Amino acid sequence: DTAVSQTPKYLVTQMGNDKSIKCEQNLGHDTMYWYKQDSKKFLKIMFSYNNKELIINETVPNRFSPKSPDKAHLNLHINSLELGDSAVYFCASSGGLSGYSPLHFGNGTRLTVT
Amino acid sequence: RKEVEQDPGPFNVPEGATVAFNCTYSNSASQSFFWYRQDCRKEPKLLMSVYSSGNEDGRFTAQLNRASQYISLLIRDSKLSDSATYLCVVYGNNNDMRFGAGTRLTVKP
Repeated sequence: DTAVSQTPKYLVTQMGNDKSIKCEQNLGHDTMYWYKQDSKKFLKIMFSYNNKELIINETVPNRFSPKSPDKAHLNLHINSLELGDSAVYFCASSGGLSGYSPLHFGNGTRLTVT
Repeated sequence: RKEVEQDPGPFNVPEGATVAFNCTYSNSASQSFFWYRQDCRKEPKLLMSVYSSGNEDGRFTAQLNRASQYISLLIRDSKLSDSATYLCVVYGNNNDMRFGAGTRLTVKP
């Protein structure tokens, strides 16, 4: 029944490792996002996809690579993890590009890099 | 100037109080606006959309002032369960959903 689900919920790893976070939505939405929430609680957009096409790519290190195999999935792969990558990563979806459709969030992935 | 700015918190109010938050945005082309609520260690959840004419949902009232580029949220008769961080969200264009830093509210008995 979960509308937007992301896994894993917690991820603890060492610097230099590569990790992936998966996200799936069953709302039939066309648009999916990745947001990062840092220790100061500020939510910052990282990427946005619409129907598998990259729409927004904020100033994010190229160690972060999103992949959308279909419009219901948007995964995030992170190479060579750094301490500063520690944050909560939220996946979200919305009904379209118009902006009148609000965001629906997954429950977050808390990434800790040691 | 930040794209979306909110009142600095925290707001500490007694139960039953009325509290208001403001949020200003820099992009005059912004098309739609929302208030989200985020509980500690949880995901943000939609509280309400903000319409041009203003809108109300129970104890919550949202207003939009396009001329001055701000939106507001008014909470009447605060409950303990209203304690959370309130996030202002502004949609510019091209899938550009921008969040404010949030205003933390604590309602005390």
